[in-house]
Amino acid sequence: GENVEQHPSTLSVQEGDSAVIKCTYSDSASNYFPWYKQELGKGPQLIIDIRSNVGEKKDQRIAVTLNKTAKHFSLHITETQPEDSAVYFCAAPPTPTDSWGKLQFGAGTQVVVTP
Amino acid sequence: DTAVSQTPKYLVTQMGNDKSIKCEQNLGHDTMYWYKQDSKKFLKIMFSYNNKELIINETVPNRFSPKSPDKAHLNLHINSLELGDSAVYFCASTTGQGDTEAFFGQGTRLTVV
Repeated sequence: GENVEQHPSTLSVQEGDSAVIKCTYSDSASNYFPWYKQELGKGPQLIIDIRSNVGEKKDQRIAVTLNKTAKHFSLHITETQPEDSAVYFCAAPPTPTDSWGKLQFGAGTQVVVTP
Repeated sequence: DTAVSQTPKYLVTQMGNDKSIKCEQNLGHDTMYWYKQDSKKFLKIMFSYNNKELIINETVPNRFSPKSPDKAHLNLHINSLELGDSAVYFCASTTGQGDTEAFFGQGTRLTVV
């Protein structure tokens, strides 16, 4: 099965600065890489995802980059705001032979944006 | 309308009791999951059902028994609760394909005292 490692475990940034979270995965057949945001008291929610046929995807202040050769993908948050404070999870899909959506989540990164 | 709803949101109970958590999704998805989130926020899959059929059953004590009466519902029953069962339990659903969004419920915080 897939192994996903996520770093750092905690990240404290000043409002307006950028935040970067990195994940590495083990299965070279993986082709879909989502990022989830979990706010306090809520369930995780998808914020952005990328497929293996592209190297970068942006959505306003968040972006995800993928390096298939090195088997890592990263979440970038620019111009951070207090509402970006949350736990962020990367995930990797099952192998192509496992079609039942068994996501393997990283250990999570607690992001704290200080004013 | 909430896409994935689970009840209750909070559950405090004594050791040895039996309790159930209910989950319902109105997205028309075929696959539903139970995840356990420990105090360090680590999300670990417990079970997955596809069209009422058990697909994934991770290493979970037999005291945990999922039940899916139809593809829109997946309940979790826990017998003989132990202190270590204290966690937040999340229900989720997807279309079943690996490359689609998972929708999570708001979680059930279970505290065993």
